Amino acid sequence: AQTVTQSQPEMSVQEAETVTLSCTYDTSESDYYLFWYKQPPSRQMILVIRQEAYKQQNATENRFSVNFQKAAKSFSLKISDSQLGDAAMYFCAPLSGTYKYIFGTGTRLKVLA
Amino acid sequence: DTGVSQDPRHKITKRGQNVTFRCDPISEHNRLYWYRQTLGQGPEFLTYFQNEAQLEKSRLLSDRFSAERPKGSFSTLEIQRTEQGDSAMYLCASSARGMGYGYTFGSGTRLTVV
Repeated sequence: AQTVTQSQPEMSVQEAETVTLSCTYDTSESDYYLFWYKQPPSRQMILVIRQEAYKQQNATENRFSVNFQKAAKSFSLKISDSQLGDAAMYFCAPLSGTYKYIFGTGTRLKVLA
Repeated sequence: DTGVSQDPRHKITKRGQNVTFRCDPISEHNRLYWYRQTLGQGPEFLTYFQNEAQLEKSRLLSDRFSAERPKGSFSTLEIQRTEQGDSAMYLCASSARGMGYGYTFGSGTRLTVV
């Protein structure tokens, strides 16, 4: 069974600063992807970034990047130059051949002006 | 195509009543998923379809819950004899073939059972 642990229930960051959200996971699958989703208040979940587990190179999408440590099963999200619009719940989730996500409890990110 | 649509956005019902939610996925997506999310928690998997076939159901999905996806297009989730513990956000998502695409989520249906 897959499990996901997001040990930071809440994080705060000053606008324009950098913040890192941590995630550890456990899976017995050898072939999988890892995703970060963002859920703004009362709005739908949006895909932020994805990482293929067989790729060593860390994924980057504009201000968002990941630090993927496969052996440690760690998948952290770094947000650079934080903006007010980044305030949301962030969920990390592995996805394997079962095609279903197992989500953790998420991290609430507050961005301070 | 404007994404995944869910209807209604909000539903308030009395305990014991039946409710039905609808989800319209992205038209070219063959997989459709239902999740439930309670306040302060991550979404929990309920069930998923590949085309019209329901391939997996969570143990969370008691026999009061039923989901269908006729003709592999839209999907409905029905809850019979609602209970207060059913109050939650019900999320629908769809995906194309392949793990790498991830899901596209709808805005959800918020159910309140009074």
